[in-house]
Amino acid sequence: KAGVTQTPRYLIKTRGQQVTLSCSPISGHRSVSWYQQTPGQGLQFLFEYFSETQRNKGNFPGRFSGRQFSNSRSEMNVSTLELGDSALYLCASSSGTDTDTQYFGPGTRLTVL
Amino acid sequence: AQSVTQLDSHVSVSEGTPVLLRCNYSSSYSPSLFWYVQHPNKGLQLLLKYTSAATLVKGINGFEAEFKKSETSFHLTKPSAHMSDAAEYFCVVRPASGGGADGLTFGKGTHLIIQP
Repeated sequence: KAGVTQTPRYLIKTRGQQVTLSCSPISGHRSVSWYQQTPGQGLQFLFEYFSETQRNKGNFPGRFSGRQFSNSRSEMNVSTLELGDSALYLCASSSGTDTDTQYFGPGTRLTVL
Repeated sequence: AQSVTQLDSHVSVSEGTPVLLRCNYSSSYSPSLFWYVQHPNKGLQLLLKYTSAATLVKGINGFEAEFKKSETSFHLTKPSAHMSDAAEYFCVVRPASGGGADGLTFGKGTHLIIQP
């Protein structure tokens, strides 16, 4: 099976702009989670989608949003970018049960100038 | 709420010697516990997971971890380190909430350095 894919891999934006990141889960997986990784804060949970519904959300401002499509592909959007949004954004897919394993993509490196 | 504490931010060992990466957790529910590894500029790879079956869990590349409920620990070990083991290691907890899923909670990571 193909793994989790994320596009684009690298992105450079300026403050105030918005950005959309894409994630394609492993075939058959219905759950997609997003995480932000920064040197200062480490890995933090953003949100999880299951069958097109947001099932859980981390402690991030409303500028961070996401959605999931009927084919389980997911996008996350960050509006009004700030310098502190520079990070590696990781997507993970799973079957969606409580004890299942999340499989991670390679990430999208976002740099905000 | 759950939390994870990785007790060492950096661990340095010589090639061929044992590796021990320490992790303590707290969770309101019976948790699932994971160890992931991240090589430079790469995504996260699952090493192993514990989900209330055997307390000693074997993973890939010779790694294993032991779940000790009384100590709330989930330490990662490997008998003999290899140069390719140099990477960042994350201990992760996810409570078995029984309802919807909660996101993973990550430790701050342990940077493993292998000396030749």
